[in-house]
Amino acid sequence: QKEVEQNSGPLSVPEGAIASLNCTYSDRGSQSFFWYRQYSGKSPELIMFIYSNGDKEDGRFTAQLNKASQYVSLLIRDSQPSDSATYLCAATGDAGNNRKLIWGLGTSLAVNP
Amino acid sequence: SQTIHQWPATLVQPVGSPLSLECTVEGTSNPNLYWYRQAAGRGLQLLFYSVGIGQISSEVPQNLSASRPQDRQFILSSKKLLLSDSGFYLCACDRVDNQPQHFGDGTRLSIL
Repeated sequence: QKEVEQNSGPLSVPEGAIASLNCTYSDRGSQSFFWYRQYSGKSPELIMFIYSNGDKEDGRFTAQLNKASQYVSLLIRDSQPSDSATYLCAATGDAGNNRKLIWGLGTSLAVNP
Repeated sequence: SQTIHQWPATLVQPVGSPLSLECTVEGTSNPNLYWYRQAAGRGLQLLFYSVGIGQISSEVPQNLSASRPQDRQFILSSKKLLLSDSGFYLCACDRVDNQPQHFGDGTRLSIL
């Protein structure tokens, strides 16, 4: 059973701090990894995706991938109350085919003013 | 970039009634299309995906079906709804394998 695991949280951080969200995956064949943000009652919104080992930065967000450890993380710098949401991690399965993403259950993040 | 339209936004249906949810995509051609369901407190469950007109792959055997009558139209149907069909139904699309999927606003379905 291919799995993506996330700590359900809630992860609580003060405004302005760095929030660190973690995700592990079981399928060594996974090639692409995605972070989505989902506000309560809304649909998931893509935040970042990463294919290569190392870091990828986009504004306040940094995705980190370590394929040897099968570990993906999302760092949010200068966290804002508007970042409070559930963050979903997803990985491709089936030799990198995007059609069947393996989804984590999400980590709930609360940024306190 | 593509825009994904789903309607209705919310729907309340009695057990045993039929269902038809529609998803249309603008701003792209020949997309891959997906139907997901997200039940309360659970993760995203892939129901169907389609790589082209008339091509449907089913991921979960159940009383739901999907059709793709046009390139940018994807329909989710049921002849008789069950209580367990309640959930948040999401349509998603992408253009090329390994590129990110983008979601529509979803339909929240409640079965009474």
